[in-house]
Amino acid sequence: RKEVEQDPGPFNVPEGATVAFNCTYSNSASQSFFWYRQDCRKEPKLLMSVYSSGNEDGRFTAQLNRASQYISLLIRDSKLSDSATYLCVVSGGATNKLIFGTGTLLAVQP
Amino acid sequence: EAGVAQSPRYKIIEKRQSVAFWCNPISGHATLYWYQQILGQGPKLLIQFQNNGVVDDSQLPKDRFSAERLKGVDSTLKIQPAKLEDSAVYLCASSPIRRGSGSSYEQYFGPGTRLTVT
Repeated sequence: RKEVEQDPGPFNVPEGATVAFNCTYSNSASQSFFWYRQDCRKEPKLLMSVYSSGNEDGRFTAQLNRASQYISLLIRDSKLSDSATYLCVVSGGATNKLIFGTGTLLAVQP
Repeated sequence: EAGVAQSPRYKIIEKRQSVAFWCNPISGHATLYWYQQILGQGPKLLIQFQNNGVVDDSQLPKDRFSAERLKGVDSTLKIQPAKLEDSAVYLCASSPIRRGSGSSYEQYFGPGTRLTVT
């Protein structure tokens, strides 16, 4: 079983749609959780951290369920500029290294 | 603030040849990471340095890969000899020194070096 699993997509949605990405992780000792965004042929960049209480940043909402070892990202009112790969990331252990999922490709259509 | 610099941006070599990548992290960042990202996958950590010491190299194929960060700033990653399956983007990232357990600073990635082994 992969340490971090995501649906690879692609998710093709029209502008203005709401889209949700899900992610599960296998290590119950994981301590920190993130969503990174990676544009085509670019480097990953931090989109947002994920907290147990849930957190929101504009059109983006992230949720964490530690009991189910499940992380989600909701994007409301999708824009063309949201088209990218969204990487689910967990970290933990003595070195706090980041473990990346394979990423979910989002294509927002005009 | 200048970001993480990497060179070269692209490299094409034949199998069994050697190749080296260079990374200059963000000034003041103590922790430096090398990742391998194969097409269609997420980045995979190869090695993590804190200053000039290795923190984690558990996923580095040590029979062919080596990395160093001699003065705690720049770093080089070398592959010798290269195999076809080494074709990937090699990403360098840096972050400030890690806080206590349970928290992580954001990692800032460089643009990567795209390696093609033929």
